[in-house]
Amino acid sequence: NAGVTQTPKFQVLKTGQSMTLQCAQDMNHNSMYWYRQDPGMGLRLIYYSASEGTTDKGEVPNGYNVSRLNKREFSLRLESAAPSQTSVYFCASSESPGASGELFFGEGSRLTVL
Amino acid sequence: KNQVEQSPQSLIILEGKNCTLQCNYTVSPFSNLRWYKQDTGRGPVSLTIMTFSENTKSNGRYTATLDADTKQSSLHITASQLSDSASYICVVSANNQGGKLIFGQGTELSVKP
Repeated sequence: NAGVTQTPKFQVLKTGQSMTLQCAQDMNHNSMYWYRQDPGMGLRLIYYSASEGTTDKGEVPNGYNVSRLNKREFSLRLESAAPSQTSVYFCASSESPGASGELFFGEGSRLTVL
Repeated sequence: KNQVEQSPQSLIILEGKNCTLQCNYTVSPFSNLRWYKQDTGRGPVSLTIMTFSENTKSNGRYTATLDADTKQSSLHITASQLSDSASYICVVSANNQGGKLIFGQGTELSVKP
């Protein structure tokens, strides 16, 4: 049982380049999330998908786009990377959206933008 | 403003000792409080989830307490092991705003032999 799988694990980009972070879960969860984690700060929500076919902005959505490809997969795209987007990105999933659902996290994708 | 503050920022203890991590929050209306363990280079893993009516919850050597009146929680680790070295994150869920989760900055625990 893999849980939540993220790819790639590491990536280095130059300013202005684009890339997509992939996330897949095998727990048949309805809700999926993208967070970023920066030193000295708590995890911050970028975008989330409460259910297949829906996506909503989180706390820090600027510079990102997402696609809920199907129930299993939720991708995060950086169209024109900036150094401020250097961070560790975590995908998470939960059975249901909102306050009650336990979150299961992936291992993280470490992105450096030069 | 909804906030979650953890203390201390970092802590070093000797293997076998106990320790207690603190979490204060101002989130309202409160739904639940979670503690996560995050090993270096890994994703956070859930330790406990407590609702308003729960005062204490244990998971092996980890015991979380919640005082909803004072809006404080603690995570007590008993008989620490080297594998307990990690960041411990307190997360509080609001009962509105679509169940928004507010993350603390984490306490970095280092257990030395």
